[in-house]
Amino acid sequence: GAGVSQSPSNKVTEKGKDVELRCDPISGHTALYWYRQSLGQGLEFLIYFQGNSAPDKSGLPSDRFSAERTGGSVSTLTIQRTQQEDSAVYLCASSLLQGGDSPLHFGNGTRLTVT
Amino acid sequence: AQSVSQHNHHVILSEAASLELGCNYSYGGTVNLFWYVQYPGQHLQLLLKYFSGDPLVKGIKGFEAEFIKSKFSFNLRKPSVQWSDTAEYFCAVKNTGGFKTIFGAGTRLFVKA
Repeated sequence: GAGVSQSPSNKVTEKGKDVELRCDPISGHTALYWYRQSLGQGLEFLIYFQGNSAPDKSGLPSDRFSAERTGGSVSTLTIQRTQQEDSAVYLCASSLLQGGDSPLHFGNGTRLTVT
Repeated sequence: AQSVSQHNHHVILSEAASLELGCNYSYGGTVNLFWYVQYPGQHLQLLLKYFSGDPLVKGIKGFEAEFIKSKFSFNLRKPSVQWSDTAEYFCAVKNTGGFKTIFGAGTRLFVKA
């Protein structure tokens, strides 16, 4: 079946502009995650959605970052007033269950470059 | 707070050499452990996982990892690497029953043909 889909695959934006990144998880997966991958930094947890529960936003680096998940499916990560340090690959992942034997399924990511 | 440390950022091996990538985590409770792999141009995918039971787990493509609780380690091994194993490898940990998976910084492996 279809995997996790992210769009756009690449985004170049000017400093100060807002950007929206989209994630379409695997159908039926209730958990959705956003991570940020910077060079040499591994994957940094940003935010987590599980079903209709309130999201865990503890990893968002500043109030310029926000995310929504509509109808328990598609998610949008928004970065307002982008800064050069926001440049990274933004990865979305979904899993079938919150805990237990459920690994993460990742999308190909969105490479964001802030000039 | 949980953290994951991967000892090597870059590893270069010749084909048929043995591989061991180190991973240590810090967390006092019961954990689930993972290795993910990212081949060039592809998305991250699960290589193997440990949830409970036998601490020696086997994954795809001949990889295995051993969970040593007393050392807080989950090292990845392969007896004989191939050129196609060239990829970036990430160790990850999640507290049992939780949701937040914490990743290490990754190890880039290059296998010379």
